[in-house]
Amino acid sequence: EAQVTQNPRYLITVTGKKLTVTCSQNMNHEYMSWYRQDPGLGLRQIYYSMNVEVTDKGDVPEGYKVSRKEKRNFPLILESPSPNQTSLYFCASAGLLTGELFFGEGSRLTVL
Amino acid sequence: QKEVEQNSGPLSVPEGAIASLNCTYSDRGSQSFFWYRQYSGKSPELIMSIYSNGDKEDGRFTAQLNKASQYVSLLIRDSQPSDSATYLCAVMGNYGQNFVFGPGTRLSVLP
Repeated sequence: EAQVTQNPRYLITVTGKKLTVTCSQNMNHEYMSWYRQDPGLGLRQIYYSMNVEVTDKGDVPEGYKVSRKEKRNFPLILESPSPNQTSLYFCASAGLLTGELFFGEGSRLTVL
Repeated sequence: QKEVEQNSGPLSVPEGAIASLNCTYSDRGSQSFFWYRQYSGKSPELIMSIYSNGDKEDGRFTAQLNKASQYVSLLIRDSQPSDSATYLCAVMGNYGQNFVFGPGTRLSVLP
């Protein structure tokens, strides 16, 4: 089954404790991206990647890091989380020929 | 900066009516256009993709694209309460370019 898998789905953590949200896709997609969604603000892009070892900043990259060492994986790293990073996070992937984005189920992160 | 705008909501229509959702984009080089539906707290799911001028129909959904006017729309016929959701317009440039999402339009279909 074609899917984008994010883990963890829910996480409560404390300020400053490094965490990683994993994202994996099984569709051999070139493009992967991370978004955060907050009430009233829509989807805001954090980082995206056009292919292995190619990443670029989105609209709200501050406080986040990513890496794309393999085509299927695109982890989101919060080195020192802060309460303003409390949000619902979505990972997505797409093949660049069709551009049809597939989203993971989301990861709800709370930073205390 | 590339922008995608959508008609502000919320949009309310009675059950059985046609819901019309609109989207405009700023980048004339955009090539691919998408409509996503998102239920509250859930991930966006693709409804329609459209790449060339004209209409594209899929069941109760019709996407319309006019590149000259930089406009794309989504019509939902025979609207059902289950169509109540936020609808996101997304645009992609040429191969290898990033996606841009609109802010979304919230649709409520009243029984």
